[in-house]
Amino acid sequence: QSVLTQPPSASGTPGQTVSISCSGGNSNIGNNYVYWYQQVPGTAPNLLIYMNDQRPSGVPDRFSGSKSGTSASLAITGLRSEDEAEYYCAAWDDRLTVVFGGGTKLTVL
Amino acid sequence: QVQLVESGGGVVQPGRSLRLSCATSGFTFSRYSMHWVRQAPGKGLEWVAVISYDGVNKFYADSVKGRFTISRDNSKNTLFLQMNNLRAEDTALFYCARESNLAPAGTLIDHWGQGTLVTVSS
Repeated sequence: QSVLTQPPSASGTPGQTVSISCSGGNSNIGNNYVYWYQQVPGTAPNLLIYMNDQRPSGVPDRFSGSKSGTSASLAITGLRSEDEAEYYCAAWDDRLTVVFGGGTKLTVL
Repeated sequence: QVQLVESGGGVVQPGRSLRLSCATSGFTFSRYSMHWVRQAPGKGLEWVAVISYDGVNKFYADSVKGRFTISRDNSKNTLFLQMNNLRAEDTALFYCARESNLAPAGTLIDHWGQGTLVTVSS
């Protein structure tokens, strides 16, 4: 059971907008930055969003992150087939551990 | 570019030990905190441990506390994970990861290695 709660799956058709939620508590998301990672099957995770809503260079602006209170959200606009992957949220916890969400498998129909 | 290359994985019997290494290049290793994160087959990401840039501060997941030890050699740009008393549930792909230093606190992983597989089985 993960500390951060994500829906196990999400789906959309090409061009659509998909949103993935990540719910936590005051000790993690409420007090710390949220990070999002994309993991294509068979490969290592890759940083998608850092410090709640910042995109690393090279990440398309179709990806955006937001945070409100103890929840965060990842939005993907203009969905493409190559976006099919597993998505994880993560944050520090005030207990000096790092917590991950259970992951959301995104399917592009 | 940032490179993180893990090694040391393999098949080990329950109760035995294993030491993982992560050779790094492409950045000033001694300026960054480093993490180990694992992923059991078909499962999600699980954080294991973190070590501060100078090796002074170390924190662990409850699931490995007392059995695993994270360490680093800044003169060799290398991160380690000593794993003792291994259990079947420790079977996973272990990733070495660099923590971003964009802010003085609260930042997380910005680069990942490709992982090394640890299988605990009799």
